[in-house]
Amino acid sequence: AQKVTQAQTEISVVEKEDVTLDCVYETRDTTYYLFWYKQPPSGELVFLIRRNSFDEQNEISGRYSWNFQKSTSSFNFTITASQVVDSAVYFCALSEAGDSNSGYALNFGKGTSLLVTP
Amino acid sequence: DAGVTQSPTHLIKTRGQQVTLRCSPKSGHDTVSWYQQALGQGPQFIFQYYEEEERQRGNFPDRFSGHQFPNYSSELNVNALLLGDSALYLCASSGTGQYLANYGYTFGSGTRLTVV
Repeated sequence: AQKVTQAQTEISVVEKEDVTLDCVYETRDTTYYLFWYKQPPSGELVFLIRRNSFDEQNEISGRYSWNFQKSTSSFNFTITASQVVDSAVYFCALSEAGDSNSGYALNFGKGTSLLVTP
Repeated sequence: DAGVTQSPTHLIKTRGQQVTLRCSPKSGHDTVSWYQQALGQGPQFIFQYYEEEERQRGNFPDRFSGHQFPNYSSELNVNALLLGDSALYLCASSGTGQYLANYGYTFGSGTRLTVV
């Protein structure tokens, strides 16, 4: 069975601080995909990044960076120099590859609510 | 380029009634998935439709059913509504196979269903 744990329920930071959102996952599959999504108050889930299980390269995109470590089953997300517009709920999700008929359903964590204050 | 469109945006129903939610996928996408998001929780997978058939289903009762039309749009039907069905229902679309694995899903803004 697959499981995604986001232990941080709420985080509050002051603008320009760095913040790291933790994600720990469990899966028996050797091939799987990890995602981060952002959910602003409007409700729409905005795709941020996807990572394959066989690609442990860390990635940086502007102020965002991701640290994928298979040894600890973690896929953490860091926002550098946070801004008020970063305030949202962030979800980590796992999808197992399954077979050719698999739908790659996403299994989400409970999310971390990030509040960035001026 | 329009993304995923869901209707209605908000809905209030009485316990025991039936409801139909609608989703139009992003242009070029042929796979539609539905998720239920209770307040303060992460989205839960309901089912996925591809080629007008249900391809994968999550842990939801048979009261939840769906349909996909030849133009790839989809409906989610919930019968005998319970108070616990109150949630944000999200529709997500994608291409299939490796496209899905590589690019994930595009989500709509959801339908907020309140059961009273």
